[in-house]
Amino acid sequence: KAGVTQTPRYLIKTRGQQVTLSCSPISGHRSVSWYQQTPGQGLQFLFEYFSETQRNKGNFPGRFSGRQFSNSRSEMNVSTLELGDSALYLCASSLAISTAGGGEQYFGPGTRLTVT
Amino acid sequence: DQQVKQNSPSLSVQEGRISILNCDYTNSMFDYFLWYKKYPAEGPTFLISISSIKDKNEDGRFTVFLNKSAKHLSLHIVPSQPGDSAVYFCAAGTGRRALTFGSGTRLQVQP
Repeated sequence: KAGVTQTPRYLIKTRGQQVTLSCSPISGHRSVSWYQQTPGQGLQFLFEYFSETQRNKGNFPGRFSGRQFSNSRSEMNVSTLELGDSALYLCASSLAISTAGGGEQYFGPGTRLTVT
Repeated sequence: DQQVKQNSPSLSVQEGRISILNCDYTNSMFDYFLWYKKYPAEGPTFLISISSIKDKNEDGRFTVFLNKSAKHLSLHIVPSQPGDSAVYFCAAGTGRRALTFGSGTRLQVQP
């Protein structure tokens, strides 16, 4: 079956702009998580959604927001972009309501965001 | 505060030898741990996991060891193959909290 897809794969924005990234989970998966990956920082958790509800949220400013639709597709939005927002944004889906119990997450290839 | 640390950003090993990747954590509430592998231009893929009630889990060439008293886990790859060259992330979780990932170790297996 198809894996997690993320669009777009690459994006260049300028400071102050906003951006919306999209994630389509594996069919049947209802949980979607978002991560930011930067060199030396690993994967930093942004938020997790299950059945259109945010279940967990990481320590990111309010400029980072997300939502999940009834078909489990998810979007994340970053407003007033800063240079430090340049990163690889990864989306992961899982069957589990959250990552409790070590439930496997399946990652998409990510969206590479560059802020100039 | 990094609760999960991978102190070696890179590791180089000869093909056929053992690769040992290390991970330390500070939160004693973590009750499960996972390793993910990431190739360039791809998302991380799940490799192996271990529950805090175990001290070892094996899957083919991959073995994860957990030392709860030292708050340390390690991933052993034996024998290492060139296709194992990737970035390896350890991650830890508890209850319904989201996973906490380390910063990754880049493994290079030399032919």
